[in-house]
Amino acid sequence: EIVLTQSPATLSLSPGERATLSCRASQSVNSYLAWYQQKPGQAPRLLIYDASNRATGIPARFSGSGSGTDFTLTISSLEPEDFAVYYCQQRTNWPPMFTFGQGTKLEIK
Amino acid sequence: QVQLQQSGPGLVKPSQTLSLTCAISGDSVSTNSATWNWIRQSPSRGLEWLGRTYYRSKWYNDYAVSVNSRITITPDTSKNQFSLQLNSVTPEDTAVYYCASSGKIAAAGTALEDWGQGTLVTVSS
Repeated sequence: EIVLTQSPATLSLSPGERATLSCRASQSVNSYLAWYQQKPGQAPRLLIYDASNRATGIPARFSGSGSGTDFTLTISSLEPEDFAVYYCQQRTNWPPMFTFGQGTKLEIK
Repeated sequence: QVQLQQSGPGLVKPSQTLSLTCAISGDSVSTNSATWNWIRQSPSRGLEWLGRTYYRSKWYNDYAVSVNSRITITPDTSKNQFSLQLNSVTPEDTAVYYCASSGKIAAAGTALEDWGQGTLVTVSS
């Protein structure tokens, strides 16, 4: 089973700053890596799929990069509504399954 | 855009069966281009994918190894919905359960695109 490790566990930043979140896979996932945002009491929301493609309606300040085992989610200039927990996720073909990282909490400094 | 509406009880007794339903609007459960998934989230286990159902000329199911012996996901074409049954539950199955679709935005089905609102299911006597 592929394990996804996110870092840091918590990131404290101020609005307007740049956020860089990391996700490392225990083996290559090619570019099949997605990022989600989750706010308290809400379902996760898809931000990025296939490493670098923004989902429908996602602002341009969110960008994803990477391939193989190392991936990054960047928020170029934090807005107040961006403070949340972020998860990465990969999918394997065999056995077919989705796995998630443990999350990075982005909090207001 | 697909909308998913979950329903089902929030309290289940140990050893009994957890049953949830996810009603689909904006797409068909029988589409050849999507899969229909169940995921749960708890503080101890994080986000955990449980399984999926999908139609590709016939119906298929895939289940996570961790619940493979206890889970059934069933499509209902007459109501355009799909359901989760998890048997022999224990308190460790207490979690928020989500349904989600895959395959409409990321064509390879590599992401979970639209999610239901979530249902907190507590396993307790």
